[in-house]
Order: sequence, then structure tokens, then C-alpha cells
Amino acid sequence: DSGVTQTPKHLITATGQRVTLRCSPRSGDLSVYWYQQSLDQGLQFLIQYYNGEERAKGNILERFSAQQFPDLHSELNLSSLELGDSALYFCASSVAVISDYGYTFGSGTRLTVV
Amino acid sequence: SQQGEEDPQALSIQEGENATMNCSYKTSINNLQWYRQNSGRGLVHLILIRSNEREKHSGRLRVTLDTSKKSSSLLITASRAADTASYFCATDANFGNEKLTFGTGTRLTIIP
Repeated sequence: DSGVTQTPKHLITATGQRVTLRCSPRSGDLSVYWYQQSLDQGLQFLIQYYNGEERAKGNILERFSAQQFPDLHSELNLSSLELGDSALYFCASSVAVISDYGYTFGSGTRLTVV
Repeated sequence: SQQGEEDPQALSIQEGENATMNCSYKTSINNLQWYRQNSGRGLVHLILIRSNEREKHSGRLRVTLDTSKKSSSLLITASRAADTASYFCATDANFGNEKLTFGTGTRLTIIP
């Protein structure tokens, strides 16, 4: 157990639907990162939050949004889902806003869009 | 786009042998990190090397960094079946870029 909790572990949904992925960072970590991993695109950075504020944005689609709440947990919302959104979605956390301490990853949410 | 590119994409060796994988990157960095991913699982942080360091050891892992060539290598000595996994390098970038960008990974298979 890495200390980063992601729920649900698996999600199967239909095209056009909306889902919410949840992440609880490791205790004491203030930064949360979301990554998408697919076979053809590798591990792609989506978005970073630090202590409730958005810090960096990567290749995140407009159909996707995220937020970090006062208790530091984060949610990634995916809407108008397409087949190509099927992937593993990872949350990672870090104690600082910079990357010098490494990331702790959760076990991921496997999203299948049918 | 990927900041780091690992080489080779896949590597199979006999148990007990050493495994070496390489990573090249494009821009200046503050640090370079290596992660391991067992099939379908989360990534696990292995080791971090800073831009002013040339070599670092952790157990059976040895990492080197050549900033002039923008490259790094990860050596796993005396490999074990449990080392079978994908290995990724990750870099940040200088001047305030706080996120890690991951390479494409090397798939390592240890043959018992």
C-alpha cells in the first residue's frame, strides 16, 4: 500500500457518459498529479494541484476537469466519454510543489469505455 | 510529447545477469528519476539523481547521469525474477517546471 488511494479500481461505462475518479493523497502530501496511461500514448501528464490550487496543466482535454478539495483529496471528472478515453488513470502525490522528493503513485483506475 | 526516451524498449536477460537501460532527454533538468511499474500497477519510485550528481547507488541499483549528453542509465545488478517490470525515467525541467514527464519505458523480463 503506497498510501495514495484511488477509487474505483475499475470502471466500465458507455460512450457519452460522465465519470468521477477519486484520489486521496498520502498523508502529509500537498501536491496531487493526474496521469493518463494508454498503450499508444504512454504516461501523459494531465494536471497538478498544490494545496487546493491548480499549478500546472498538461494534455488535458476540455471534456476533463479536476479539483482538489480542502481535505486535499482530488477528483478527476471525465465527461462525454469516447472510446479513446479508455486508459489507466493514475493519481500521484508529493510532499512539495517541486518534484525533488519523487512521487508516490496510487494503484490507478482502469477506465473502459464501451 | 515525451521528454525522456528509454532504450531498449524491451530487454530479456537470464536471472543473475545485469540489466542496463538508458534514457535520453531533451531539455535541462533539475533532477532525473527512475520508476518501476509491475504490469497494470502503480509506478514505484526507485531513485532520484540531481543534475549536479554523476552517479548514485541504492542497493542493487546504480544510476548515472551525463548532463552534457542529456542521458542517464539504470543498472540493475544480479537480477531476480521479481525485477520483471517496466522501468521509466522521468525528468522535470529547469526554471520552475514542477511536473515530471515520463519516458516511454523499458520492458524488462528476467528469465528464471
